Amino acid sequence: GENVEQHPSTLSVQEGDSAVIKCTYSDSASNYFPWYKQELGKGPQLIIDIRSNVGEKKDQRIAVTLNKTAKHFSLHITETQPEDSAVYFCAAPGRESNFGNEKLTFGTGTRLTIIP
Amino acid sequence: GAVVSQHPSRVICKSGTSVKIECRSLDFQATTMFWYRQFPKQSLMLMATSNEGSKATYEQGVEKDKFLINHASLTLSTLTVTSAHPEDSSFYICSARGGPAKNIQYFGAGTRLSVL
Repeated sequence: GENVEQHPSTLSVQEGDSAVIKCTYSDSASNYFPWYKQELGKGPQLIIDIRSNVGEKKDQRIAVTLNKTAKHFSLHITETQPEDSAVYFCAAPGRESNFGNEKLTFGTGTRLTIIP
Repeated sequence: GAVVSQHPSRVICKSGTSVKIECRSLDFQATTMFWYRQFPKQSLMLMATSNEGSKATYEQGVEKDKFLINHASLTLSTLTVTSAHPEDSSFYICSARGGPAKNIQYFGAGTRLSVL
């Protein structure tokens, strides 16, 4: 199955600076890479995703880059704000199951703290 | 956007009782729903995948008789934790797929189960 590693586990960034979180995956068949933000006591919320046919995607202060050759993808948050403080998870689907249902394998999470 | 509603948000029960958690897709038909379990400061661990009208597919190590999943309609899946014990205390999260962007999993807000 798919194996996803995520680094760092914790990250503290001064408000206004940039934050970068990196993930690696093992299954070369993975073709979809979402990033989720989880606030305390809540479910994960999709913040950005990228498909394997592009190398970068940007949405305002958030961007994701993908290197298929190296099998890693990264989340970039610029001009960080206190409300960016949360746990961020990357995920990758691996190969399709018998039902064609791509099961997401999640990284171990990064606790991002924005220091005012 | 796609909304997934999960109830209850918090439940406290006595050891030996059964607890039912509901997951509803409010504005789309969910072809597939997923159930996850998350321990404090850990990642999401997939428990099972369910498709409407068919039996759930459980991940290795998850007891299907302990965690009963019913996906009776395209908008509702339920997880019943039978004969709950303190070690079942955890954060349970559902997700649904089949919304406007068919590969994206939309998550519920989670249910915190505490078994006394």
